Amino acid sequence: EAQVTQNPRYLITVTGKKLTVTCSQNMNHEYMSWYRQDPGLGLRQIYYSMNVEVTDKGDVPEGYKVSRKEKRNFPLILESPSPNQTSLYFCASSRGTGPTYEQYFGPGTRLTVT
Amino acid sequence: DAKTTQPNSMESNEEEPVHLPCNHSTISGTDYIHWYRQLPSQGPEYVIHGLTSNVNNRMASLAIAEDRKSSTLILHRATLRDAAVYYCILRGLSGGSNYKLTFGKGTLLTVNP
Repeated sequence: EAQVTQNPRYLITVTGKKLTVTCSQNMNHEYMSWYRQDPGLGLRQIYYSMNVEVTDKGDVPEGYKVSRKEKRNFPLILESPSPNQTSLYFCASSRGTGPTYEQYFGPGTRLTVT
Repeated sequence: DAKTTQPNSMESNEEEPVHLPCNHSTISGTDYIHWYRQLPSQGPEYVIHGLTSNVNNRMASLAIAEDRKSSTLILHRATLRDAAVYYCILRGLSGGSNYKLTFGKGTLLTVNP
């Protein structure tokens, strides 16, 4: 089954404790992206990747890092999480970047930073 | 990216058709109209997209006005599983800034049994 998977699905952590949210897709997609969703603010893009070793900042990259060492994986790293990073996170992938390509989203990771 | 306007909420009865409107009066000639939906506690899900002609797939139909300033997502027989927030999104040839999807507030669809 074609899908985007994320782990963990739920995470409660403390300020400053480094964490990684994994994202993997099995569709051989070139483009991958991370969004966060907050009440009243909608979905906002954090980072995106056009292909292996090619990543760039989205609209809200502060406090996050990403890497794309393999085509299928696009982990989101929070080196020193803070409470304002408490949010619902979604990973997405797409076969291409043109306007005819649909994006596939993962099930989400609900992160709470205390 | 050009702006879209959708009603905040709509209500429907199960097994009846649902017409979800979207206005996009500043759409450019090369903007594609995409629809996504987000079911409770799930990630957004692609529904359908089109450029000028009406489009059908297994999930829904997309009716695009002749002047392309508005479009309507049609669910032919709503089920309880169709209760979700529906987003109308424009995507240009350039892919938009960062090739991202720009989600507005969307329309919250409630389906009554």
